[in-house]
Amino acid sequence: EVQLVESGGGLVKPGESLRLSCAASGFTFSSYTMSWVRQAPGKGLEWVSSISSSSSSIYYADSVKGRFTVSRDNAKNSLFLQMNSLRAEDTAVYYCATACSGGRCFYYWGQGTLVTVSS
Amino acid sequence: DIQVTQSPSSVSASVGDRVTITCRTSQAISNWLAWYQQKPGTAPKLLIYAASSLRSGVPSRFSGSGSGTDFTLTISSLQPEDFATYYCQQANSFPSTFGGGTKVEIK
Repeated sequence: EVQLVESGGGLVKPGESLRLSCAASGFTFSSYTMSWVRQAPGKGLEWVSSISSSSSSIYYADSVKGRFTVSRDNAKNSLFLQMNSLRAEDTAVYYCATACSGGRCFYYWGQGTLVTVSS
Repeated sequence: DIQVTQSPSSVSASVGDRVTITCRTSQAISNWLAWYQQKPGTAPKLLIYAASSLRSGVPSRFSGSGSGTDFTLTISSLQPEDFATYYCQQANSFPSTFGGGTKVEIK
């Protein structure tokens, strides 16, 4: 059974940093592109970042470029999102997700972790 | 960036009704479109990928169609468990973008 478990969310002040983790199991993690998608309270879905299986290709939404860094550790079946210079508008539930085979859709999702940025 | 316009933003329907949701993209994306279902407090779930391919385990009352810039999700006979919010997503290129969502509510 595929499992994606996010952790690391919490309450931080504007300008502070946070590192999210996603622990994967039940599939060959090293073979899949992985992504982060977020959802602000009461709002729609927003893609944040994607990283290819070997970390050779990395993509970011303009809204987080230069502030967030995605990485992965295939030996530990883990995905990370380092979030710096956090803003109130980064407040959201952050989901990690696997890519669809051969495409850029999101097949399996974790349960999400809430990040709240507030003074 | 490719913009995705989803309509309607909400629809009221009864059990057994046929429901149609549409998405339009600002550029042609071939069939690189996916549909998701999200229930309150839970993560989204992929329903359809490549515009019309049903994910394994998803009921056959869900179907997708379209290519280029215009796409449709159809629920042929709405069931109680289908009341949820639905999102489309263009999967053609980064940045990936989602439609604004359609909330399917009980009439």
